[in-house]
Amino acid sequence: QQQVKQSPQSLIVQKGGISIINCAYENTAFDYFPWYQQFPGKGPALLIAIRPDVSEKKEGRFTISFNKSAKQFSLHIMDSQPGDSATYFCAASMKGTASKLTFGTGTRLQVTL
Amino acid sequence: NAGVTQTPKFRVLKTGQSMTLLCAQDMNHEYMYWYRQDPGMGLRLIHYSVGEGTTAKGEVPDGYNVSRLKKQNFLLGLESAAPSQTSVYFCASSSRGGQGYNEQFFGPGTRLTVL
Repeated sequence: QQQVKQSPQSLIVQKGGISIINCAYENTAFDYFPWYQQFPGKGPALLIAIRPDVSEKKEGRFTISFNKSAKQFSLHIMDSQPGDSATYFCAASMKGTASKLTFGTGTRLQVTL
Repeated sequence: NAGVTQTPKFRVLKTGQSMTLLCAQDMNHEYMYWYRQDPGMGLRLIHYSVGEGTTAKGEVPDGYNVSRLKKQNFLLGLESAAPSQTSVYFCASSSRGGQGYNEQFFGPGTRLTVL
């Protein structure tokens, strides 16, 4: 059972464009939604995270939009750069579960020149 | 600080062989995790530990065992490897406390092939 659904599976964006990755969750007990970035041959690393008491969080070119009623959240990468080419995973967690994460299936982003 | 390290980086096994993957962290983290990553499946939690001497099952525990004898180490064992266990294995650790939303720090991964 996939509790966190992520789309698209892959994405090609031109340099300077906006990359958008979407996730949807089923379990309403989830209350922490991080995004992890993974470069080839490396482990994932935390990029940005949001809690459901806010609808948006921005860090530099990266923004999470959160829609609690729809149980959806998305990552927006503004002014996408070739260095952003990586695999992005959304995830969800709930309080009191030892910070365990349920991951989406990942989106492979390629930013072209 | 080395962060989270994993040994070995690569390994090829034959069906039925056993092996142990070692994870070590130097951040004094309470929580440690083992994940497997397969194409199109994301990362799936195998086992995790909330402290020295404790372990618990994750989403896909069958065929794996773990031990946390020391706080800084978390071992993942395969007693009788199967081709379905061909995967990339990641270890992660996180601190306890705060409001329960603690970043997980990942190791570089171990690529395992079972023939």
